[in-house]
Amino acid sequence: AQKITQTQPGMFVQEKEAVTLDCTYDTSDPSYGLFWYKQPSSGEMIFLIYQGSYDQQNATEGRYSLNFQKARKSANLVISASQLGDSAMYFCAMREGLNFGNEKLTFGTGTRLTIIP
Amino acid sequence: DGGITQSPKYLFRKEGQNVTLSCEQNLNHDAMYWYRQDPGQGLRLIYYSQIVNDFQKGDIAEGYSVSREKKESFPLTVTSAQKNPTAFYLCATSTGANTGELFFGEGSRLTVL
Repeated sequence: AQKITQTQPGMFVQEKEAVTLDCTYDTSDPSYGLFWYKQPSSGEMIFLIYQGSYDQQNATEGRYSLNFQKARKSANLVISASQLGDSAMYFCAMREGLNFGNEKLTFGTGTRLTIIP
Repeated sequence: DGGITQSPKYLFRKEGQNVTLSCEQNLNHDAMYWYRQDPGQGLRLIYYSQIVNDFQKGDIAEGYSVSREKKESFPLTVTSAQKNPTAFYLCATSTGANTGELFFGEGSRLTVL
């Protein structure tokens, strides 16, 4: 069964608008971590934001926030005031358990975000 | 500069040849990982190592081999047994602390002709 589902293969958004990238996950482990990564056309993976399953508040990092809805098993990434440089592939990922030092992440298939000037 | 260096960036090989991808890190991270990325797909874990001289198979280890003789180095060999080796390969490290995010190299693109 797919553990991370990203249902939006591609999105086009006008510059300066906010954008929400969807991610749902599946796990029976009560302890887990959720990550979002950005992959520009150059190929490197850039870590954006993290949400732990026991975190009470939604994570935020600058223009990025994670809309964590635990009961719905959803971890959507919200980018506020989008910029041209936000055009990239975005991947949602999950680590089951809190066994630090063993950071096996399971990735979704990604969403290609294109910002239109 | 601190970071993860993968080489070569691009590699072309004939079918049936083994090829080794290099991954070197100077971040002093204990854990290292190899992921494979195919077009339109997410990353899939090939092998990982939490400590020197020890490594574990990931989800798609068949046709690949690794070694971890030094903390800084985690080379990946794509053997002739790998049926579809053409892909983008990403090496990553983690500290085992804080959020536990992975730090990635810039990747190696392997094309088998």
